[in-house]
Amino acid sequence: GESVGLHLPTLSVQEGDNSIINCAYSNSASDYFIWYKQESGKGPQFIIDIRSNMDKRQGQRVTVLLNKTVKHLSLQIAATQPGDSAVYFCAENIQRGGADGLTFGKGTHLIIQP
Amino acid sequence: DGGITQSPKYLFRKEGQNVTLSCEQNLNHDAMYWYRQDPGQGLRLIYYSQIVNDFQKGDIAEGYSVSREKKESFPLTVTSAQKNPTAFYLCASRGNFEKLFFGSGTQLSVL
Repeated sequence: GESVGLHLPTLSVQEGDNSIINCAYSNSASDYFIWYKQESGKGPQFIIDIRSNMDKRQGQRVTVLLNKTVKHLSLQIAATQPGDSAVYFCAENIQRGGADGLTFGKGTHLIIQP
Repeated sequence: DGGITQSPKYLFRKEGQNVTLSCEQNLNHDAMYWYRQDPGQGLRLIYYSQIVNDFQKGDIAEGYSVSREKKESFPLTVTSAQKNPTAFYLCASRGNFEKLFFGSGTQLSVL
């Protein structure tokens, strides 16, 4: 079964508002987490990542927060724009027989309302 | 222009037929991966390769086969044993860091 999941399959926000997308993970040994954005019919694009020795990391208009106590990851998008409409996936790094691999959640579809 | 190239963009398979999806990268990455994505679902790992001439099964390898004869290439064959092949297939590669770089995907459908 999947060890990474999303709290909501769809999130609708007004243009200009901030968006918060949540993710729960179950493997306490995971040491690296990553957020991807996927537009319809395209491959996932890297947004931001964070290591387990950090609580917060900021990028351009995006912030990732990691709460290891409750095994929770979130992606915050500031001043949401129409181009932010996409499916957002979180992923965690899990060892596979000595070789690293990422396990993905099901994704959250972010819809921007005009 | 560096990146990962998947082809074709769309592919149709007849019953009982094997089809091969191409994945080429010029990023000089050692590790390459194949994922399957079904509508409204996350990515599930089919096969991965950490180095040339070596590959490992992922979570859903049954009905698929791969080869890694060259560093740049990691083709995926969907065999007739895969009874539900309709999906969006994504190839990815990874260098020295954990981040995966993805191709643009191949949509496989059954005729």
